[in-house]
Amino acid sequence: DAGVTQSPTHLIKTRGQHVTLRCSPISGHKSVSWYQQVLGQGPQFIFQYYEKEERGRGNFPDRFSARQFPNYSSELNVNALLLGDSALYLCASSLLPLHSYEQYFGPGTRLTVT
Amino acid sequence: AQSVTQLDSHVSVSEGTPVLLRCNYSSSYSPSLFWYVQHPNKGLQLLLKYTSAATLVKGINGFEAEFKKSETSFHLTKPSAHMSDAAEYFCVVRRAEADRDDKIIFGKGTRLHILP
Repeated sequence: DAGVTQSPTHLIKTRGQHVTLRCSPISGHKSVSWYQQVLGQGPQFIFQYYEKEERGRGNFPDRFSARQFPNYSSELNVNALLLGDSALYLCASSLLPLHSYEQYFGPGTRLTVT
Repeated sequence: AQSVTQLDSHVSVSEGTPVLLRCNYSSSYSPSLFWYVQHPNKGLQLLLKYTSAATLVKGINGFEAEFKKSETSFHLTKPSAHMSDAAEYFCVVRRAEADRDDKIIFGKGTRLHILP
């Protein structure tokens, strides 16, 4: 069975540009979460979505937005990119957005902002 | 509010000796606690989780952790380290009850080095 997939794997953007990252959850999983992992740090929670609704949001500016589609895949959008947005962006899926359900992580998208 | 503190950024142990990775948490709600491992250039993998059942939790690869409410701790241990255990370990806290304002908080990580 396929795990969580993310695209693209790597991306280079210029300051001020916009970026869209994509995530496909494990088949049957209805909840998707997004994290930002800066080099040398732990992942920082950005969003959690379930049934196309936002279920949780971390301390990120409004430049960050996300959505979930009817097939449970998800997009993370970042506007007006800053150098500090350079990071590994991780997507995780779970059956339901409950603590008792394990989150499975994808390999991530490495974003470099120059 | 929730927070998690991993007390050591780096831990070095010799192969075959015990491992102790320390984690303290703070939570306004009943917490669920997790340990994840991240090997170089690999994805995050769940080692074990505490979700208000038994306080001593056994995970994969011989790891276990004990939830101590009085000490607000959830330390990760393994009796005998193996070279393949070298990786980054993250302690994670999450609100136990379902909530529309769910937040999942990762610690900053502990790099485990295994000496031959």
